[in-house]
Order: sequence, then structure tokens, then C-alpha cells
Amino acid sequence: DIQMTQSPSIVSASVGDRVTITCRASQTINSWLAWYQQKPGKAPKVLIYDASKLESGVPSRFSGGGSGTEFTLTISNLQPDDFATYSCQQYYIYWTFGQGTKVEIK
Amino acid sequence: EIQLLESGGGLVQPGGSLRLSCAGSGFTFRSYPMSWVRQAPGKGLEWVAGISGSAGSTYYADSVKGRFTVSRDNSENTLYLLMNSLRAEDTALYYCAIPPYNKSPYYFQQWGQGTLLTVSS
Repeated sequence: DIQMTQSPSIVSASVGDRVTITCRASQTINSWLAWYQQKPGKAPKVLIYDASKLESGVPSRFSGGGSGTEFTLTISNLQPDDFATYSCQQYYIYWTFGQGTKVEIK
Repeated sequence: EIQLLESGGGLVQPGGSLRLSCAGSGFTFRSYPMSWVRQAPGKGLEWVAGISGSAGSTYYADSVKGRFTVSRDNSENTLYLLMNSLRAEDTALYYCAIPPYNKSPYYFQQWGQGTLLTVSS
């Protein structure tokens, strides 16, 4: 099974900050990685797929990078609507999610 | 507009059974593989089971293999998850999800709102 590990678990940030979240896979997954945003009581919403492609309708302040086993999600110019939990997901072999990173108000 | 509507959740005793449903609309149901993903209270997301568009192939997470069965009725545009031998650790919000059309390998682009299963005596 492929394990996905995110860091950090919690990020405290302010509006306007740049935030970077890291996701590490236990084996190579090429670029088959997605990032999701989830708010309390709501279903996940995909932001990034294929490691770096922006899902339609997602603001350009979200960007993804990496390949192989190391990946990043960067939020530039953090907005009030961005305080949420972010999860990575591999879809190279079946589907596995990271444990989530909560972006909270500093 | 694509819509996925889960139903069937509730309170079940340990060892019991329950069937969840997910009704799809706004897309050609039979053309999409579908999955169930769950989220225990305060925890992360966990893929549970998946099924191909034709229902010819099914896939399960190790944590539910042998206890859960995924199926679909393409004539009724409905996905199912039959859950047997339920345990307290199966308590979660269960989502159904679909990928973008014709994407392989795929991630989950559209999600339902979820249905809550609680396993407790």
C-alpha cells in the first residue's frame, strides 16, 4: 500500500501570507497526485490534479508542484476563504489520502 | 449539473448490516467509474471501495475487504455499498465520488454531500 504523509499538520497564517504544504509518498507515484480543500461539514473540493494542473474554477493563487515522491501545495496571498483543511491524494495505485493539513488563522 | 446524493446512513449495532445508496444525475451514469470514500469524525479521508462503469470490476480497501460489497444499477443510476459485520471503526461520513470523464488514472472531481453511519451499541 502507498502511504501519504503531509507536513505540517497545522499551519497558522495570516491573510496575505504564502503557505506551503508538503506531501510525501512512500513510493514513487509519478505525477498522479491531487490536492483537495475541505471545510467543516462540506465535501472535499479538488484544487490541483496531476500534481500541478489547476482544476477549472480554482483561483490561480493555488499552485502545485513535485513529482515522484515529494509534492507541494502553495497558496500565495492567503485569503479569508482559504482557511480550511487540505489533503493530498495519490491515484497511482488505487487511492490514498494524506492525513490533512489545517490552515488556521494566526 | 452533476449531482450525487447519498442516503441510507444511520445507527447500527456492532455486527450489523446496512446498505448505502448514491443516486447520480446530470451525467451518463454508466460511463463513469464510481467510488465510496469515508471520513471518520475528526479524521482524514479514506477510500473504501470502487467499481467500474460496467460493474465488471470492483476494488476494496483492505480495511473493508470481505465485509463490504460495492455494486451499481445503471438502469436506476444508483451506486450501492452493502456493509456487513460492522465495527465501531466503520463509523464515518460516507461519500460517493466520481472522476472527470475519461480520465485515467483518476482522482475524484465530484462528490456527494455524504451520509453518516454510526456503529454503536
